[in-house]
Amino acid sequence: QSALTQPASVSGSPGQSITISCTGTSSDVGAYNYVSWFQQHPGKAPKLMIYEVNYRPSAISNRFSGSKSGNTASLTISGLQAEDEADYYCSSYTISGTLVFGGGTKLTVL
Amino acid sequence: QLQLQESGPGLVKPSETLSLTCSVSGDSISSSSYYWGWIRQPPGKGLEWIGYMYSSGRTYYNPSLKSRVTISADTSKNEFSLRLNSVTAADTAVYYCARLTAARPDYWGQGSLVTVSS
Repeated sequence: QSALTQPASVSGSPGQSITISCTGTSSDVGAYNYVSWFQQHPGKAPKLMIYEVNYRPSAISNRFSGSKSGNTASLTISGLQAEDEADYYCSSYTISGTLVFGGGTKLTVL
Repeated sequence: QLQLQESGPGLVKPSETLSLTCSVSGDSISSSSYYWGWIRQPPGKGLEWIGYMYSSGRTYYNPSLKSRVTISADTSKNEFSLRLNSVTAADTAVYYCARLTAARPDYWGQGSLVTVSS
């Protein structure tokens, strides 16, 4: 299985919105609504931000939202804040019953 | 409060077997509601899915690692384990254990760095 495709980096200024894409295939992203997004700060374990395409765990800010169209999922962060600067990873369930991650996107808050 | 904690050797020699254990508190790994799995991250690189297991013992592995990986559980200790055979330097990584709910890892351990070197 191949890793999902994410841009290597994105950037935005405080208060702006950014979107990170996650492109897979009809065997993973396109097959199910089991796409998740994770935030990882340096030296820390990843943190679940979005699950099942567009659901947020209770403790996650509503500035984070997710969507999906075909084989591409997206994470949007609105009202960028300095603490949003981190690496972001998507993951998807696959038709083989396994999971696959994206290569990761480094978000820089300018 | 669910907590997961990885433990095991931080240094493994090439060609040997990497073994890690994840101790779980705050939930039972026998619960039919969850899966329990392993994820790794080489230094400076992205996340890689290793595999996961269900309470029934059914396992699912990353095809690229399947020939070398075994995930198993000790329900009496509420622990599950990872064994990776024939390791090389490419297996050097931070290894995370995690609980999965409906195909998403929602709780993670803090991670354990394993270095493969002679």
